[in-house]
Amino acid sequence: NAGVTQTPKFQVLKTGQSMTLQCAQDMNHEYMSWYRQDPGMGLRLIHYSVGAGITDQGEVPNGYNVSRSTTEDFPLRLLSAAPSQTSVYFCASSYSISRTPIVRDEQFFGPGTRLTVL
Amino acid sequence: GQNIDQPTEMTATEGAIVQINCTYQTSGFNGLFWYQQHAGEAPTFLSYNVLDGLEEKGRFSSFLSRSKGYSYLLLKELQMKDSASYLCAVRGKAGSYQLTFGKGTKLSVIP
Repeated sequence: NAGVTQTPKFQVLKTGQSMTLQCAQDMNHEYMSWYRQDPGMGLRLIHYSVGAGITDQGEVPNGYNVSRSTTEDFPLRLLSAAPSQTSVYFCASSYSISRTPIVRDEQFFGPGTRLTVL
Repeated sequence: GQNIDQPTEMTATEGAIVQINCTYQTSGFNGLFWYQQHAGEAPTFLSYNVLDGLEEKGRFSSFLSRSKGYSYLLLKELQMKDSASYLCAVRGKAGSYQLTFGKGTKLSVIP
């Protein structure tokens, strides 16, 4: 298993450009999420999905869109990049939410995408 | 709302024991996680507590007191490779997989 993969590893954008950060997992996890990590701010949830076709907003969703057409893929789109979106972006996934009671089910993180917006 | 506090930085000596504290105030509680994150890398899972008490896993232990909104991560026999950030995260709602993370504690292990 490759686990959670993210592409690209590094990206530099100009203000106003758009791009898509790719995330894929091969563990058949239902839950997937996107975080951004900034110095002194910790990990903050951008968007999440509890299954194909279902997405919802997290703590800091503005300027980002997501979709979940398959269980495996959860891309994050930056519509019009701004310098404030310079950050490290992590995708994560967890086991099926259909199991009850929810037990340990930790989130598995991808290696991250380091994005700079000039 | 969710509020999770942990110290920003700590320094400890190789071979010693260090305790990293985490306090939380959340609207609901359904588990507390500790993650380790080396510089430039992704977070990796260390431990999980949902009931009060101590969970031990090798050199690492984690403690939870739900009534006090308090947890700690205990690292024994510190090694240089333990130099990393340690992230406390709380799952607030039953049936939810959303985690709220603290800002992390950067631990430096010195010889």
